[in-house]
Amino acid sequence: AQKITQTQPGMFVQEKEAVTLDCTYDTSDQSYGLFWYKQPSSGEMIFLIYQGSYDEQNATEGRYSLNFQKARKSANLVISASQLGDSAMYFCAMRDGRGGAQKLVFGQGTRLTINP
Amino acid sequence: GAGVSQSPSNKVTEKGKDVELRCDPISGHTALYWYRQSLGQGLEFLIYFQGNSAPDKSGLPSDRFSAERTGGSVSTLTIQRTQQEDSAVYLCASSQRRKLAENPTGELFFGEGSRLTVL
Repeated sequence: AQKITQTQPGMFVQEKEAVTLDCTYDTSDQSYGLFWYKQPSSGEMIFLIYQGSYDEQNATEGRYSLNFQKARKSANLVISASQLGDSAMYFCAMRDGRGGAQKLVFGQGTRLTINP
Repeated sequence: GAGVSQSPSNKVTEKGKDVELRCDPISGHTALYWYRQSLGQGLEFLIYFQGNSAPDKSGLPSDRFSAERTGGSVSTLTIQRTQQEDSAVYLCASSQRRKLAENPTGELFFGEGSRLTVL
């Protein structure tokens, strides 16, 4: 079964610094997808970035990039030039299954706090 | 609205009572998911519906939990004989069927959740 591990329960970073949130995964599938979601204190889940297992380049979306190391089974999220509004819980997730099956398995999350 | 709608947003009930939580997915989304999030924890998968296929119920924690999806749209999650450990936020999400060319990510769109408190 797929498993997602986020080893950092909490991170504290100064505003404008870059931050890396760790995510490792375990799967026997060759085809899979990796996601990062942000959950502010309001509770909504906001999709940030996606990486397919066959994508040759690391995904980027604005200030977010995904450091995908397939051999190490890691998919770390990098946030450049952090802002106070980045303070939130961040969840790494993997799509379980292939083809039309889209169940996501989530990690336990990392609480990121940006200090002014 | 255009997003996933959940009701009620908050529900307080007494131990032993039954509760129903409703989810109205984004129009046209064929897949619907229920997750549970306990305080400060990650998201625990409960159940997944995809079109007319049999639902994936592998995450339901006990037979007190059930869900149905009528007409391929609205879904109801029912918890019978609630227990205090059922207290959590229940999140519903929907997505389009993933097709590599049209929808390569297949990301989930979440509702704002239903917060259940069992006294």
